[in-house]
Amino acid sequence: EIVLTQSPGTLSLSPGERATLSCRASQTVSSSYLAWYQQKPGQAPRLLIYGASSRATGIPDRFSGSGSGTDFTLTISRLEPEDFAVYYCQHYGSSQFTFGPGTKVHIK
Amino acid sequence: EVQLVESGGGLVKPGGSLRLSCAASAFTFSSYSMNWVRQAPGKGLEWVSSITGSSSYIHYADSVKGRFTISRDNAKNSLYLQMNSLRAEDTAVYYCARGKAGTVDYWGQGTLVTVSS
Repeated sequence: EIVLTQSPGTLSLSPGERATLSCRASQTVSSSYLAWYQQKPGQAPRLLIYGASSRATGIPDRFSGSGSGTDFTLTISRLEPEDFAVYYCQHYGSSQFTFGPGTKVHIK
Repeated sequence: EVQLVESGGGLVKPGGSLRLSCAASAFTFSSYSMNWVRQAPGKGLEWVSSITGSSSYIHYADSVKGRFTISRDNAKNSLYLQMNSLRAEDTAVYYCARGKAGTVDYWGQGTLVTVSS
């Protein structure tokens, strides 16, 4: 069973700053099945990145994903006020979805 | 625009049952696998169950196997989750979610299930 670990647990940044979020898998996973989601309080999650690096429909280009093997990164180049939220990575394998515990990005 | 609308949540006693429904619209429902994903209060996301478009393949998380049953009615564009033998730890917002290539590309707004005496 693959376990996803996200770091840091909380990120305190100011609008305009760059955010770098990490997702580490307990074993090598296929990049094709690594995704990132954003969730704001009281809302459903929203797909940001799929296939480790492809932006979902309507996602601004300040969001980018990278990585392979066991280490993946979500980067927000310049934080906008609406980007302060919780971010989850997710892997699909063996017919099941696994989510990381999340990284909360909050305003410094 | 793709819409997923859950219903059927509520308060139920431990050991009780509940059936969740999800009404889908604006896409060819039968062409997509569907999922239930839950989120306990203040916690992260947990996948619960998946069903393929033709209902040929069904999968469950170990935490609900033997207690929950996922099903769908493509004629009604509807997804269901029958939950039996409910426990306090099943308390969560349950999201109906469309699957696509190993991701969840659309989510409903969720329905809250509270298991408490």
